[in-house]
Amino acid sequence: SYVLTQPPSVSVAPGQTAKITCGGNNIGSKSVHWYQQKPGQAPVLVVYEDSDRPSGIPERFSGSNSGYTATLTVSRVEAGDEADYYCQVWDSDSDHHVFGTGTTVTVL
Amino acid sequence: EVQLVESGGGSTQPGRSLRLSCTASGLTFDDFGMQWVRQAPGKGLEWVSGVSWDGATKGYSDSVKGRFTISRDNAKNSLYLEMNSLRPEDTALYFCAKTRGYSGSSDDAFDIWGQGTMVTVSS
Repeated sequence: SYVLTQPPSVSVAPGQTAKITCGGNNIGSKSVHWYQQKPGQAPVLVVYEDSDRPSGIPERFSGSNSGYTATLTVSRVEAGDEADYYCQVWDSDSDHHVFGTGTTVTVL
Repeated sequence: EVQLVESGGGSTQPGRSLRLSCTASGLTFDDFGMQWVRQAPGKGLEWVSGVSWDGATKGYSDSVKGRFTISRDNAKNSLYLEMNSLRPEDTALYFCAKTRGYSGSSDDAFDIWGQGTMVTVSS
């Protein structure tokens, strides 16, 4: 089955840039989506189809995808960005949706 | 405002059954595929099952295939998950989520999520 690997944690100072990676076999050929989940809340879609933002998501959230790694970038990090972040793809070989292992972003 | 509200969770014993429901409002329900995603306590997100806009195409994760059944009633704006032969490892918060497109089995993102309903399986 298809596996998506994320770093367990990323720490960043306010105002700096956080980069969250999502590794998978030839992930660059897939469409990657990113979700933000704050404690006790449902996930929120922050980036879809590698780099598009839903309405209401700040431009500080951006995404890229190439080769074996997709990346969610959060610029000018704020305290409110502290959350768990998950990548997700559709695996056409298994007909399964797959979520990454999740990354906890801590704002120092 | 688009809203998804799950219900039907609770505590039960291994081997028993539960039926979860998800009621949608503020959207044309039968335009979109729908999904169930679960999260065990302190763990990550796990896709469980998905269904197309018309209920014709359904998919299941390997961990629930043969035990869980997804269905929808577009006239009632509702999504269901029938869970049989429950196991302790099915203990989780179950979210329903709307797909951006009409399919349940494609690379569309999940753009609207409910708040979840908790299922606890324990003897």
